[in-house]
Amino acid sequence: DQQVKQNSPSLSVQEGRISILNCDYTNSMFDYFLWYKKYPAEGPTFLISISSIKDKNEDGRFTVLNKSAKHLSLHIVPSQPGDSAVYFCAAPELSFGAGTTVTVRA
Amino acid sequence: ETGVTQTPRHLVMGMTNKKSLKCEQHLGHNAMYWYKQSAKKPLELMFVYSLEERVENNSVPSRFSPECPNSSHLFLHLHTLQPEDSALYLCASSQVTGLDEQYFGPGTRLTVT
Repeated sequence: DQQVKQNSPSLSVQEGRISILNCDYTNSMFDYFLWYKKYPAEGPTFLISISSIKDKNEDGRFTVLNKSAKHLSLHIVPSQPGDSAVYFCAAPELSFGAGTTVTVRA
Repeated sequence: ETGVTQTPRHLVMGMTNKKSLKCEQHLGHNAMYWYKQSAKKPLELMFVYSLEERVENNSVPSRFSPECPNSSHLFLHLHTLQPEDSALYLCASSQVTGLDEQYFGPGTRLTVT
């Protein structure tokens, strides 16, 4: 059973606008979440993380929100063409979502 | 070299072949991982090694055989694979297992014919 779900396989956004990626998880015992970014022909790279006891973590243009039960969101503001990639949400026990492909239009 | 490297980057093999994937990390990490990424599916964790000991095997068929001779090297030995095993195989490392952020290699694109 998939413990981490990213239900939106793709997202297209205009450059300069906000990208919002969602991640749902099933296990309320998860206490730490990570987001990875993956370009074609490369392995995923760590992007940002959040502890379950925090409701927000910011790093530059990237913000992770943890304000709803069993739900996370990654915000990219403003979106840039170089942000076009696949974004994975991951939880402890090494569960990864299926990924969301973000395309930023110039 | 720095980071996590994987060789070969691309591999085509027949179902009766035996081949090996190699991963090397230059980060001084203690944990290493093998993942499988099939199209439009979540990353699947295959094996976890901590200090050269296998700590997790996620019900992976025996036609996949991992080997960790030291904390810097990880191999995945392949034999009698099936076409559905065609996928991107990613190696990763982290300082410790579980919560720590992982550093991924570029992957090996495997095609089984």
